[in-house]
Amino acid sequence: QKEVEQNSGPLSVPEGAIASLNCTYSDRGSQSFFWYRQYSGKSPELIMSIYSNGDKEDGRFTAQLNKASQYVSLLIRDSQPSDSATYLCAANFGNEKLTFGTGTRLTIIP
Amino acid sequence: DAGVIQSPRHEVTEMGQEVTLRCKPISGHNSLFWYRQTMMRGLELLIYFNNNVPIDDSGMPEDRFSAKMPNASFSTLKIQPSEPRDSAVYFCASSFGAGELFFGEGSRLTVL
Repeated sequence: QKEVEQNSGPLSVPEGAIASLNCTYSDRGSQSFFWYRQYSGKSPELIMSIYSNGDKEDGRFTAQLNKASQYVSLLIRDSQPSDSATYLCAANFGNEKLTFGTGTRLTIIP
Repeated sequence: DAGVIQSPRHEVTEMGQEVTLRCKPISGHNSLFWYRQTMMRGLELLIYFNNNVPIDDSGMPEDRFSAKMPNASFSTLKIQPSEPRDSAVYFCASSFGAGELFFGEGSRLTVL
C-alpha cells in the first residue's frame, strides 16, 4: 500500500517563529509532492508543489524534497496566527491520483 | 472564475435512504476526483475520472456507492442505501493535470 505519513500534531509555534512540518512517503517512484492547507470547516487549498530535489521558496513558505530519504517538509517563516490550520502532505503515485497524509494541525500562538 | 461547485452543502438523512451528491468541476479541467474525509481516516480517494471516463474506483468502499460523469461539467456520487458509517464530508476536486487539485467546499453528510 502506497502511503504518506505525517505527524498529526498538534504543533504549537510562537508567532514570528519558524514552523516546520514533515512528511514521509513509501514509494520511491513518486515524482510530485504537494502541500495543502485546510482551515477548520473548509476545503483543502494548494499552497506548494515540488517536483525535484532541493528547496522551493514562495514567500514565507519553503518546501524541501529529499527523494533519497523519501522525505518532504514545509517551512513557514515568520509564522502568523492566520497560518493556524491543518497542513496536508500529498504525493502522486502514478496516473493523477493524489494520496494524502492525515494532516498536521498547526497552531500559531500570539 | 467559479471554482468547483458542490451540492448540497449539508445533508441529513436516515439510514436506508438514497443520497446523491453533485459536482460541477472547473471549466477546462479534464480530471475529476471524489474524496471522503473523516477524523479517523483523513482524506480518502473514492474514485476519479479523466475525460469523463472512470479511471480508478478502487477506493469506493462497497457496492452501495456509485459515481457517474455523464459530461465534462457534471458528476454525481450516489449512496444507496446509506448507513451511519457513511457520515463524512465528501469533497469533489478537479484538475487539468500535474496533480494540482482544486477542491469544492464539500458536502457534509450525516446519516442517522
